[in-house]
Amino acid sequence: EDQVTQSPEALRLQEGESSSLNCSYTVSGLRGLFWYRQDPGKGPEFLFTLYSAGEEKEKERLKATLTKKESFLHITAPKPEDSATYLCAVQGSTPGSSNTGKLIFGQGTTLQVKP
Amino acid sequence: DGGITQSPKYLFRKEGQNVTLSCEQNLNHDAMYWYRQDPGQGLRLIYYSQIVNDFQKGDIAEGYSVSREKKESFPLTVTSAQKNPTAFYLCASSDYSNQPQHFGDGTRLSIL
Repeated sequence: EDQVTQSPEALRLQEGESSSLNCSYTVSGLRGLFWYRQDPGKGPEFLFTLYSAGEEKEKERLKATLTKKESFLHITAPKPEDSATYLCAVQGSTPGSSNTGKLIFGQGTTLQVKP
Repeated sequence: DGGITQSPKYLFRKEGQNVTLSCEQNLNHDAMYWYRQDPGQGLRLIYYSQIVNDFQKGDIAEGYSVSREKKESFPLTVTSAQKNPTAFYLCASSDYSNQPQHFGDGTRLSIL
């Protein structure tokens, strides 16, 4: 069964204190791993897609990496405006997933960055 | 601007009542999805549609119904059979199966 686990559940950082969020996954044939940012009361905002182990993507203070078992979202010198819940989702190759776009989401990591 | 519009932002349901949540997209995406989000849980798929006039059940379809009469629209009805409807409902759309899904800003449904 496809599964996604994110850790930690919550993370508090001081402004400028770099850290990483983890997304561990079990999936039959990864077709894509997706990172989203969600602000309170809003829908998730797309950040990155990673398709194969070794792939990296960057955007401002965020960098996403991928191995065969997990993905990391590295946050460098975070600012208070980076405070949000970060969601990870995977799409596998199992029937019903590969041809439908069905995603399995983790529970998210809520990040708070204090000034 | 291209995007996904969900309405209303807040909705209240009385006992025994059916309510319909609206989702409209102008991204020209073929696929559309409905998710439910509860505190401390990941998003769970309710229904999805890859093409007009066709849709499939997701993981938690009981007590919900959908229609897809137009490419741009994918309304979700929460029926009286859904005994625990209080949640944040999110609609999404995507181009192809392994492309990122883009989300609306959700509808929060509560029970009166």
